[in-house]
Amino acid sequence: GDSVTQMEGPVTLSEEAFLTINCTYTATGYPSLFWYVQYPGEGLQLLLKATKADDKGSNKGFEATYRKETTSFHLEKGSVQVSDSAVYFCALTLNTGGFKTIFGAGTRLFVKA
Amino acid sequence: DAGITQSPRHKVTETGTPVTLRCHQTENHRYMYWYRQDPGHGLRLIHYSYGVKDTDKGEVSDGYSVSRSKTEDFLLTLESATSSQTSVYFCAISDPTLSYEQYFGPGTRLTVT
Repeated sequence: GDSVTQMEGPVTLSEEAFLTINCTYTATGYPSLFWYVQYPGEGLQLLLKATKADDKGSNKGFEATYRKETTSFHLEKGSVQVSDSAVYFCALTLNTGGFKTIFGAGTRLFVKA
Repeated sequence: DAGITQSPRHKVTETGTPVTLRCHQTENHRYMYWYRQDPGHGLRLIHYSYGVKDTDKGEVSDGYSVSRSKTEDFLLTLESATSSQTSVYFCAISDPTLSYEQYFGPGTRLTVT
């Protein structure tokens, strides 16, 4: 079945370190791919998205590229800040009817000053 | 920010009592969703709606019912609350014109004693 697998956390980094959070998926057809972020006590917020193969989504210094050949959508940031500490969710939405979204389990990121 | 509100934001109730959570949107998005978030389980879909009076079950629908009589409101009812339904509940909305990216409400923390 359709699924999203992301690396287990927590991930702990020092400020200004490079961040990678791995995400792979299995899906029938050609899904849209998303990264959402959840700050403590809040709902999820869309961070970035990519709707077709080779698209790169970017926002707030974060980037992810839709790799169809490796079924991956890894999240990267060149220099993390303490304020990036949050839980990050990879997700896919199937385009067959469109409303079914599958979320990964989430990866908690801690950034130390 | 997308106009999504949830009420109440916090609730403590006793086992066996009925509980209704409300989600209200001002974005006129077609699709609405109810999720629950529990440690170790990520986000799990309870029910969703693809239009007024059109609803369907998600992966963890047992013990829950929903109604959508207006585009802007989506109600989640626990007919007889159990301790296993203690969780944080999130409402989300999406629309096919926006690549189905989801916008989340702030969440309702429900405790069943």
